[in-house]
Amino acid sequence: KQEVTQIPAALSVPEGENLVLNCSFTDSAIYNLQWFRQDPGKGLTSLLLIQSSQREQTSGRLNASLDKSSGRSTLYIAASQPGDSATYLCAVDSGAGSYQLTFGKGTKLSVIP
Amino acid sequence: DGGITQSPKYLFRKEGQNVTLSCEQNLNHDAMYWYRQDPGQGLRLIYYSQIVNDFQKGDIAEGYSVSREKKESFPLTVTSAQKNPTAFYLCASSLLAGYNEQFFGPGTRLTVL
Repeated sequence: KQEVTQIPAALSVPEGENLVLNCSFTDSAIYNLQWFRQDPGKGLTSLLLIQSSQREQTSGRLNASLDKSSGRSTLYIAASQPGDSATYLCAVDSGAGSYQLTFGKGTKLSVIP
Repeated sequence: DGGITQSPKYLFRKEGQNVTLSCEQNLNHDAMYWYRQDPGQGLRLIYYSQIVNDFQKGDIAEGYSVSREKKESFPLTVTSAQKNPTAFYLCASSLLAGYNEQFFGPGTRLTVL
């Protein structure tokens, strides 16, 4: 059964710093991996989707990489801003007709002005 | 604007009552999903539907029921058989079954009194 782990559970950084969030998964046979952002009491906002054949995806200050063989993905945030403060979740789709995502518990990011 | 709407935002239920959570999407997506989120835990899949008049159980379907009579709508009923229903409920959709970039609604917070 696929398991997804995100470390650290919480992270606090000063504004302007570049940072990396980590996601690991136990079964490397994934279809794709998706990164989300969740603000307190809100739904999830999709940030980036990486297909299994891709190594990375970029959107603005965000860059996500995928290494299937090692079961890892990273989300790089450049020049962090207080508005980036939120919980970041990664989720993997293991395909094979499952049509469902397995989520990590998230990393709560605080960017200090 | 295209998107996913959930109602109500907050819902209070007495023990022994059934309640229904609404989820509507105007994205013309075939697949829809219901997740439950508890503090300190990852999202867990309750039910999903790949197409109208079809749905499948997820990891924690006991005590819940769904219907998919229209493409746009996927209501979730929390029955009295659900022993611990207090949670944040999130609805999601994706373009096609198996094309799994999922988009989420704003959520419904259910509290049992």
